[in-house]
Amino acid sequence: DQQVKQNSPSLSVQEGRISILNCDYTNSMFDYFLWYKKYPAEGPTFLISISSIKDKNEDGRFTVFLNKSAKHLSLHIVPSQPGDSAVYFCAARSGSSNTGKLIFGQGTTLQVKP
Amino acid sequence: GAGVSQTPSNKVTEKGKYVELRCDPISGHTALYWYRQSLGQGPEFLIYFQGTGAADDSGLPNDRFFAVRPEGSVSTLKIQRTERGDSAVYLCASSLFLNNEQFFGPGTRLTVL
Repeated sequence: DQQVKQNSPSLSVQEGRISILNCDYTNSMFDYFLWYKKYPAEGPTFLISISSIKDKNEDGRFTVFLNKSAKHLSLHIVPSQPGDSAVYFCAARSGSSNTGKLIFGQGTTLQVKP
Repeated sequence: GAGVSQTPSNKVTEKGKYVELRCDPISGHTALYWYRQSLGQGPEFLIYFQGTGAADDSGLPNDRFFAVRPEGSVSTLKIQRTERGDSAVYLCASSLFLNNEQFFGPGTRLTVL
């Protein structure tokens, strides 16, 4: 049962354009969402997060949008840079959990072409 | 400062053998997590330690998997009678406290032949 889904395995965009990565979830108990970025042979690194009480969070070129009614979130990267090329994972955490464990999506590989 | 480190970076073993994977969390971090990432998938939760105790081991796939954190710092994930399906990247993460940002190590790539 995949509670967090990233339905696009890959995305290719031109440098300077917007990258939009999507994520859907099924568990209504999730109340905190995160995006991680992963380069080959490295562990995931935290990028940006959003609490369920908000619908948008922005940090520089990165913005995360949350649509609770649709159980959908998206990560926007503007402008995209070649160094953004990596695998992006969406993750969620349940407010009812007392362990803080993260549930991850399958990941989307972003390629930004110069 | 030093991040989360994991050793070995790669481990190749034969089916049926025993392996130990080590995680050194960031100094002072009380929470430690193990995840497993199979090819083409996202990390999957295995176990969570708060201090020395395993507060949640619900993600361990079966009783061949065991993890310890005897002094509340370094953790070891132990896999007995390895199977080919255990082949994956095993990731360790630590956070200062529960629900703080989790910092991941580079992982140990386990290959069971």
